[in-house]
Amino acid sequence: AQSVAQPEDQVNVAEGNPLTVKCTYSVSGNPYLFWYVQYPNRGLQFLLKYITGDNLVKGSYGFEAEFNKSQTSFHLKKPSALVSDSALYFCAVSRAGAGSYQLTFGKGTKLSVIP
Amino acid sequence: DTAVSQTPKYLVTQMGNDKSIKCEQNLGHDTMYWYKQDSKKFLKIMFSYNNKELIINETVPNRFSPKSPDKAHLNLHINSLELGDSAVYFCASSLREGLREQFFGPGTRLTVL
Repeated sequence: AQSVAQPEDQVNVAEGNPLTVKCTYSVSGNPYLFWYVQYPNRGLQFLLKYITGDNLVKGSYGFEAEFNKSQTSFHLKKPSALVSDSALYFCAVSRAGAGSYQLTFGKGTKLSVIP
Repeated sequence: DTAVSQTPKYLVTQMGNDKSIKCEQNLGHDTMYWYKQDSKKFLKIMFSYNNKELIINETVPNRFSPKSPDKAHLNLHINSLELGDSAVYFCASSLREGLREQFFGPGTRLTVL
């Protein structure tokens, strides 16, 4: 079975400060990891993914994430937060099964960037 | 152009009714999904279709039946609606190969009274 944990329900950060949204995972075999963002009353939007290769993955809107195999983590980061980054962030892990790929999502972390 | 579209955006209905939600994607993807997001924002996959064939069918009541008339459409039909079915339902699509990211529709907020 695969699972994702996002230990923080909410993260508050001041505009211009760096932000981190935490994610840890559990999966048998190699993990395929994703971050999605959901703005109010909208569908999820893809930010970035880790499949293989460089542990530091760069994505949309200046976000990046670092894959750490020993800590089974995939934390989302941004050097300087914007008010417009305020949203709900989901980490997800995927596995191969039944011929397709099934995403298991974390429960989400609400990011609030304070002006 | 909308990549993944869903209709209706809002659906309010009485318990016991039957309703459908439609989903269409114009991305040329071969895999489509239905997710349910509950009031606590928890997101769970319900179904996955690849080339019109059911791939994943999570533990979902058989009152829920997906129908895929072609690769670009995946509709969700719900019979005998219950209060607990109230949620936001998201359709998504992706390419099956290469672990490509999924593209989500805007969601359908279903309220059962």
